[in-house]
Amino acid sequence: GAVVSQHPSWVICKSGTSVKIECRSLDFQATTMFWYRQFPKQSLMLMATSNEGSKATYEQGVEKDKFLINHASLTLSTLTVTSAHPEDSSFYICSALVAGTGELFFGEGSRLTVL
Amino acid sequence: QQQVKQSPQSLIVQKGGISIINCAYENTAFDYFPWYQQFPGKGPALLIAIRPDVSEKKEGRFTISFNKSAKQFSLHIMDSQPGDSATYFCAASSDAGNMLTFGGGTRLMVKP
Repeated sequence: GAVVSQHPSWVICKSGTSVKIECRSLDFQATTMFWYRQFPKQSLMLMATSNEGSKATYEQGVEKDKFLINHASLTLSTLTVTSAHPEDSSFYICSALVAGTGELFFGEGSRLTVL
Repeated sequence: QQQVKQSPQSLIVQKGGISIINCAYENTAFDYFPWYQQFPGKGPALLIAIRPDVSEKKEGRFTISFNKSAKQFSLHIMDSQPGDSATYFCAASSDAGNMLTFGGGTRLMVKP
């Protein structure tokens, strides 16, 4: 299957700082990428849909000013958690859509811990 | 409103047994039904997927059964192995390219 690389795989930061997570499609171009948040033992919660060259579409209840998403190229989307707080600690997962097939491939996830 | 309901939440199966996970959906516009396998600390991996034009799809030990009239689909894992122990998510979407709606997940444990 297609490969989606996510970096970093884990990050620890201090409260009030910002953290950037990258999501790259390595062997295909992804016009659409998705960002999810997953709490322990729970399902994936869609945060936003990222389309290359346009503004991201955020799900209800997700603060767009806090979770900045940029999809500047067909292979890269970034999620920046701004002014992070301990309640932002979670597992963040990106996915990329293979155009025309509907197949969705996920990154390995990024574990964020805010102290 | 949860559009894809998955059951059971957890499942324990003996090695060599059959694991069965069920999902039911409400949106009749859904036409793509994938299953994902997720190990702890990892992202979900696409396992197998089906479209409504077939009632069953098999890939190795994994089989999806699809019942369009009942709006249900299920994952069967034959000859379950301890290495299959993971969380499984069903999902559904309408039209290629639309975002997936995920079920709540099933934590499978296969006992040796």
